[in-house]
Amino acid sequence: EAGVAQSPRYKIIEKRQSVAFWCNPISGHATLYWYQQILGQGPKLLIQFQNNGVVDDSQLPKDRFSAERLKGVDSTLKIQPAKLEDSAVYLCASSLGGLNQPQHFGDGTRLSIL
Amino acid sequence: SQQGEEDPQALSIQEGENATMNCSYKTSINNLQWYRQNSGRGLVHLILIRSNEREKHSGRLRVTLDTSKKSSSLLITASRAADTASYFCVAGNGANSKLTFGKGITLSVRP
Repeated sequence: EAGVAQSPRYKIIEKRQSVAFWCNPISGHATLYWYQQILGQGPKLLIQFQNNGVVDDSQLPKDRFSAERLKGVDSTLKIQPAKLEDSAVYLCASSLGGLNQPQHFGDGTRLSIL
Repeated sequence: SQQGEEDPQALSIQEGENATMNCSYKTSINNLQWYRQNSGRGLVHLILIRSNEREKHSGRLRVTLDTSKKSSSLLITASRAADTASYFCVAGNGANSKLTFGKGITLSVRP
């Protein structure tokens, strides 16, 4: 089975610019997650979708971050405007949903803010 | 979910040796999961153990769970250089599928 696809793999922008990340989950996975992973730390959940509805976005900085999952499949995460502290790896994961289902991760997008 | 506290923070062993990593959590759980992350890659799910299970095996991996001590351990036998990675434990409380990750354990396996 194909894994979670993310693009781009790397992105370098200047502060105050905008950037967007794309994620294609595993086919049939209803639940999709976006995580932010700062160097040396574990991933932090930004937003969780169930199909195309938001389940949890309590840790998403909504003044600059936005995410959508149109048609309940692909998803995009956007940052506008970017700050220096947004430098991190942005990971997308998907799962079948439910309490005992593992999450499957993409390899992430490494974002560097100059 | 709740964050697991992994111990030690870093571990360095020789290839062929066994690696034991520990995880503790604070409140009652529904399940506990272990994930691995190789450098520059996403996380890979290794194993899930439910609260009513005490031990689980998968290839060279052995996971134990002691709910009375609120702790779990991950044993990797006959380690290989490819096992060099960060390892995370996550405790699920059954309320939702959200995962809360700690800082993880950095395992280095020397050839």
